[in-house]
Amino acid sequence: QSALTQPASVSGSPGQSITISCTGTSSDVGSYNLVSWYQQHPGKAPKLMIYEGSKRPSGVSNRFSGSKSGNTASLTISGLQAEDEADYYCCSYAGSSSWVFGGGTKLTVL
Amino acid sequence: QITLKESGPTLVKPTQTLTLTCTFSGFSLSTSGVGVGWIRQPPGKALEWLALIYWNDDKRYSPSLKSRLTITKDTSKNQVVLTMTNMDPVDTATYYCAHFFSGANDYWGQGTLVTVSS
Repeated sequence: QSALTQPASVSGSPGQSITISCTGTSSDVGSYNLVSWYQQHPGKAPKLMIYEGSKRPSGVSNRFSGSKSGNTASLTISGLQAEDEADYYCCSYAGSSSWVFGGGTKLTVL
Repeated sequence: QITLKESGPTLVKPTQTLTLTCTFSGFSLSTSGVGVGWIRQPPGKALEWLALIYWNDDKRYSPSLKSRLTITKDTSKNQVVLTMTNMDPVDTATYYCAHFFSGANDYWGQGTLVTVSS
């Protein structure tokens, strides 16, 4: 069970859209619709942004959306805002009743 | 309002056993589909999933740490306890507990930093 692969960093200007990828295998991301995404600001606990691949919890902005294609899940943030600057982590069910996180992506808003 | 809070030692010595308690409110761990999980994060590094206990006492562990972890619940006290044996400096991390539902950790505690050092 290896960590899911995310780009170390992405950046974008205010108002733009960015996409963070999360690549797994046919044993995790590719086999289950159980990918979640978390936002983490420095020194803070993670916050759930997307669950079951594309669902948004109550209170999360509709600027955040999730999708999946094959073994890769994606988080898209539209209309970038300064407050979106944070670390983002994906997480997937990995079979055998275990879960695996991605390595994290640092989003910089230019 | 769901809240969770981790408690336990901030410093443990190598080879010792770590015991962390997650005390929660705003939900019952006897409600179908609900779980409480533990996740850790070494300083400056990524999140790592550790363990999960479900409302029906079903327990799941990270395959790489399974031999060292035990998760239990006390529904009457609204607590979940994680023990990790044979602690090593590489286990230095912030340990989080989180409410689990619909395949995701939707509410998190503030985390507790555990340092392993002699």
